[in-house]
Amino acid sequence: KNQVEQSPQSLIILEGKNCTLQCNYTVSPFSNLRWYKQDTGRGPVSLTIMTFSENTKSNGRYTATLDADTKQSSLHITASQLSDSASYICVVSLYGNKLVFGAGTILRVKS
Amino acid sequence: NAGVTQTPKFRVLKTGQSMTLLCAQDMNHEYMYWYRQDPGMGLRLIHYSVGEGTTAKGEVPDGYNVSRLKKQNFLLGLESAAPSQTSVYFCASRQGGLEKLFFGSGTQLSVL
Repeated sequence: KNQVEQSPQSLIILEGKNCTLQCNYTVSPFSNLRWYKQDTGRGPVSLTIMTFSENTKSNGRYTATLDADTKQSSLHITASQLSDSASYICVVSLYGNKLVFGAGTILRVKS
Repeated sequence: NAGVTQTPKFRVLKTGQSMTLLCAQDMNHEYMYWYRQDPGMGLRLIHYSVGEGTTAKGEVPDGYNVSRLKKQNFLLGLESAAPSQTSVYFCASRQGGLEKLFFGSGTQLSVL
């Protein structure tokens, strides 16, 4: 069964600290993996995309990694800001237009 | 450029009532989707469309119908609302099958 599991479910960190969110997937055939950020009351917005051949990709303070062998991805946030408080969703694309969503990690950054 | 617009933003229905959620996109995207989001669960696909005049079932289609008469619009209908349909509904669109999704801001629906 195609599944995407994210951990932790929720996380609280102090402003300025770093954090790492995890995504494990059992999906085949794998096409790509995206991380989305969802602010409260809004729709998700794409942060990064990782294809099979990519190991690391950065978008400002966000760095995503992908290990296709272990089927794991992580999203590292550096020097967190209050505006990083959101839900972060891992989405894996299969060939054939199918998407599998993780349940998300709720991040709260406090001052 | 508004992106993806959903209406209404909030709605309260009584069991058995019907309603239609409207999604409009101005990016000329081929693919459009309706998802529901419930606490502790990932977004679940209700129905989708790969082009004007086409629709297909997702993983949780029961109790919903859709239509895509125009490329820019994708309508989601509830013929006889049930409390189990209380959820936040998101519409999304994308140009190609592997491109990123653009989401609307959601419709919060409560069925009493």
